[in-house]
Order: sequence, then structure tokens, then C-alpha cells
Amino acid sequence: GDSVTQMEGPVTLSEEAFLTINCTYTATGYPSLFWYVQYPGEGLQLLLKATKADDKGSNKGFEATYRKETTSFHLEKGSVQVSDSAVYFCALRLNRGPDKLIFGTGTRLQVFP
Amino acid sequence: EAQVTQNPRYLITVTGKKLTVTCSQNMNHEYMSWYRQDPGLGLRQIYYSMNVEVTDKGDVPEGYKVSRKEKRNFPLILESPSPNQTSLYFCASSLRDRGSEAFFGQGTRLTVV
Repeated sequence: GDSVTQMEGPVTLSEEAFLTINCTYTATGYPSLFWYVQYPGEGLQLLLKATKADDKGSNKGFEATYRKETTSFHLEKGSVQVSDSAVYFCALRLNRGPDKLIFGTGTRLQVFP
Repeated sequence: EAQVTQNPRYLITVTGKKLTVTCSQNMNHEYMSWYRQDPGLGLRQIYYSMNVEVTDKGDVPEGYKVSRKEKRNFPLILESPSPNQTSLYFCASSLRDRGSEAFFGQGTRLTVV
């Protein structure tokens, strides 16, 4: 079935370190791909998205590229800040059939000064 | 301000006592959905609605009901809550365009004792 797999956390980094959070997906067709971020006590908010193969989404220094050949959408940031500490969710929205939004299990990022 | 509003934010109830969690959006979105978030499982879709009077089951619909009588509102009903429905619940809305992102409410933390 359709699914999203992302790396287990927590990911613990020092400020200014490089971040990668892996995300791979299984889906028929060409889903749209999203990264959402959840800060403590809050709802999810969109971080970035890509709707077709080879698209790169970017926002606030974060980037992810839609790789159809590897069915991946890895999140990267060159230099993390303490304020980036949050839970990050990779998600896909199917482009055919039931209009479902499918999430990965989330990856907690902790950034220390 | 564009937003999705859920109420209540916190709720403690007893097994079997019917409850409703309300959700309202002010963005004129056609698509609305409910999710539950549990540790290690990410977000799982309960029900979704593609327009007024159109609802469909998500991945975990058992024990829940929804209705969509107006475009802006999408209440979640638990007719007879059980302890395994203790969870964090999120409502979301989006445009019908499958490349569109979802906007989330702040969440409702439900405890069933």
C-alpha cells in the first residue's frame, strides 16, 4: 500500500551542523510530497513541498528534492539553529484514487548550542 | 487571519460518554480531514471530506463519525469513547488541488478514562 518511511529519531546536533532527515515513499503514480514541522504544543505547519519529479522545495534554509528514481524526498539544511528543534514529518498526497494525506512517523530534531 | 480552529484544546472524559470535537476553517477550503497522532505512529487519517455532504473513511475510522453540513465546519463525533481513543487529534483543511498543502488546527488532546 501507499506509505512514507522516515528515519527514526531523535536526531541530536550542535548548532551550525548539517542536517539530513531521510524520507522515502511508496505510492502509485506521482504524488505530491511535503515536509511539515511541529513545534512543541502546536499543530503542524508546512515547511516545504514539491509536486513533480526533480522539483526542489525550499524554505527557511531547508531544502528537499523530489527524486522519483529513488522515491525519496530527503530534508536538508546546511546550518541548523536551536530554534529548528521540532518534530519533522514527511508526507505525501496521492494524485489519483482516494484523496489521502499519508504521513511518516516523524523525526524529532534536537539542536544544542 | 487564515486559520483552522479546533475546540476544545484539552478534554478528559469517561468511557461511553458521547463527545464532539469541533473544527472550523475560514479559508473556503473544499477538503477537510481528521487525524490522530500517537507516539511512534505519526499521524493517521480518520475521515476526510471533499465537499459538503461528501465524507469518506481514512485509515482508522472505527469508533468515529463525522458530518459535513456546511463547508466551513467538520465536527468529529465519538459516540461511545473508549480508552484506546486517548490521543492527540488534528483537523486540517486544504484546497481540492492535490498539490495543495494542508492547514492544521492546534490540536485536541483527548483522554478517555
